Amino acid sequence: AQSVSQHNHHVILSEAASLELGCNYSYGGTVNLFWYVQYPGQHLQLLLKYFSGDPLVKGIKGFEAEFIKSKFSFNLRKPSVQWSDTAEYFCAVNAENQGGKLIFGQGTELSVKP
Amino acid sequence: EAQVTQNPRYLITVTGKKLTVTCSQNMNHEYMSWYRQDPGLGLRQIYYSMNVEVTDKGDVPEGYKVSRKEKRNFPLILESPSPNQTSLYFCASSFYSLDRGLGYGYTFGSGTRLTVV
Repeated sequence: AQSVSQHNHHVILSEAASLELGCNYSYGGTVNLFWYVQYPGQHLQLLLKYFSGDPLVKGIKGFEAEFIKSKFSFNLRKPSVQWSDTAEYFCAVNAENQGGKLIFGQGTELSVKP
Repeated sequence: EAQVTQNPRYLITVTGKKLTVTCSQNMNHEYMSWYRQDPGLGLRQIYYSMNVEVTDKGDVPEGYKVSRKEKRNFPLILESPSPNQTSLYFCASSFYSLDRGLGYGYTFGSGTRLTVV
């Protein structure tokens, strides 16, 4: 069965530090890839998505992610985090043989210290 | 405003008392789904629907029922809730096509925090 792994469960950074959150998935075929953010007490919001084309995708709030097909990875990056980026981040994969199903990783909690 | 509306936001109930969580979307999305979110487990799919009258089980369907009589509504029914169904529930919807799949991603509702005592 397909799965999504987020290696960091909790990341603590100071403001202005750079961020990279890892995401790996286990499916060899065509995938659509997503990163969602969940601010405390809120619902999930789409940060960015990869469907096809340029493997470096830019999202909202200065986030970007790079799809590396050979590594089955879709890591999320931000050059300089802010306190307001404190949230939980979820990687999700939609595989071509899974219809409309999104498979989520376990989530990474990001705490940014002012 | 394009949105997915869930009600209620918070619910405390007793074991065995049937309840329904409503979900409605105004974007004419074909695909709708219910997830539960538990600490350390991420989001797990309960049920999904590809269109009206088409529903199917997700990864954790036991103890839940759904229906899709209209395109916009997708209620989640717990016939006899138990404490292990205490969780945060999210409804989501999306456009879906055979060639693009979920290229647009899900829009999520605000969530329903359910406590079963």
